[in-house]
Amino acid sequence: DAGVIQSPRHEVTEMGQEVTLRCKPISGHDYLFWYRQTMMRGLELLIYFNNNVPIDDSGMPEDRFSAKMPNASFSTLKIQPSEPRDSAVYFCASSDRENTEAFFGQGTRLTVV
Amino acid sequence: LAKTTQPISMDSYEGQEVNITCSHNNIATNDYITWYQQFPSQGPRFIIQGYKTKVTNEVASLFIPADRKSSTLSLPRVSLSDTAVYYCLVGDKGTYKYIFGTGTRLKVLA
Repeated sequence: DAGVIQSPRHEVTEMGQEVTLRCKPISGHDYLFWYRQTMMRGLELLIYFNNNVPIDDSGMPEDRFSAKMPNASFSTLKIQPSEPRDSAVYFCASSDRENTEAFFGQGTRLTVV
Repeated sequence: LAKTTQPISMDSYEGQEVNITCSHNNIATNDYITWYQQFPSQGPRFIIQGYKTKVTNEVASLFIPADRKSSTLSLPRVSLSDTAVYYCLVGDKGTYKYIFGTGTRLKVLA
């Protein structure tokens, strides 16, 4: 398996634009997590899914953020409208019920100017 | 979720054993202790997980005292490539909710 795949790796966008980050979890994993990492706040858990259903979205900072998981092999994190303070590295991770080790993707570095 | 406290940074030399201690005074009965490693520009990577006493794998050992209010990650004979940030996490294995603290920035010197 190629691991957790995120796209794009880098995204630069203007304030007010919509941004969509994508994630393909490891096949067979039924948990998917979205994290945001900044120097100031470290690694923050935004939301996680189990069997495509959002379980806990208490970490989503504002209504501008939304996440979906239409099927077991794909998830998106959308920011609309984006703001400069959303600039961060966004990580997606997946795991399965048998093994609580979470596997992380390479991340998407988002810059909002 | 139990809060964790770790040293912000540590320096070591190649070939030495490094011990990073994490405090988690409010750990719950069902909580496990997990350590992750993160290199620059990469996502965190699982190192080791344990509940009590000692756990060892091919890269590290995890020591957990009887009261479980702290844990120590031990890295034997570190090399320059072990320079990274190390995170201690505490959480209920059943919730699968991974909350990262501030981490310990380990710098291995030649």
